[in-house]
Amino acid sequence: EAQVTQNPRYLITVTGKKLTVTCSQNMNHEYMSWYRQDPGLGLRQIYYSMNVEVTDKGDVPEGYKVSRKEKRNFPLILESPSPNQTSLYFCASSPFTGTRNEQFFGPGTRLTVL
Amino acid sequence: ELKVEQNPLFLSMQEGKNYTIYCNYSTTSDRLYWYRQDPGKSLESLFVLLSNGAVKQEGRLMASLDTKARLSTLHITAAVHDLSATYFCAFEPGSNYQLIWGAGTKLIIKP
Repeated sequence: EAQVTQNPRYLITVTGKKLTVTCSQNMNHEYMSWYRQDPGLGLRQIYYSMNVEVTDKGDVPEGYKVSRKEKRNFPLILESPSPNQTSLYFCASSPFTGTRNEQFFGPGTRLTVL
Repeated sequence: ELKVEQNPLFLSMQEGKNYTIYCNYSTTSDRLYWYRQDPGKSLESLFVLLSNGAVKQEGRLMASLDTKARLSTLHITAAVHDLSATYFCAFEPGSNYQLIWGAGTKLIIKP
């Protein structure tokens, strides 16, 4: 089944404890992206990647890191989480073929930083 | 500036009524996407519109695209409670460019 997976789905952690949220897609998509969603603020892009080893900042990159060592994986790293990073996080991927760049979303990761 | 404006941002309506959600985008594009999100869930692709005049329908939802007006509409016919969700539109400003997202329209349909 074609899909985007994220792990964990739920995470409660404490301020300053490094964490990684994994994202993997099995559709051979070039493009991957991380978003966060907060009530009333819609989707805000954190980082995106057009291809392996190519990453770029989105609208709200502060406090986050990403890497794209393989095409299928795009982990999101919070080196020192803070309470303002409590949010619902989505990973998405897209074929970026030039004709149709529909994004496919993972199930989401709900993060709480205490 | 690349941006998308959705109107309204919040809509409460009765079952059986018709209504339209509007999506205006800032630059020329013939690619527009509609997504649905249920509370606490992920985003699900609803419609992909890839040309001027494109119209797609599924059940009580119909989406259209007018590239000259830079406008897409999502029309709801005879609304039912199951359509309660947040609806997002996103457009593609050009080739090799990622999607630009609207803020979402939260739709509540009351029995």
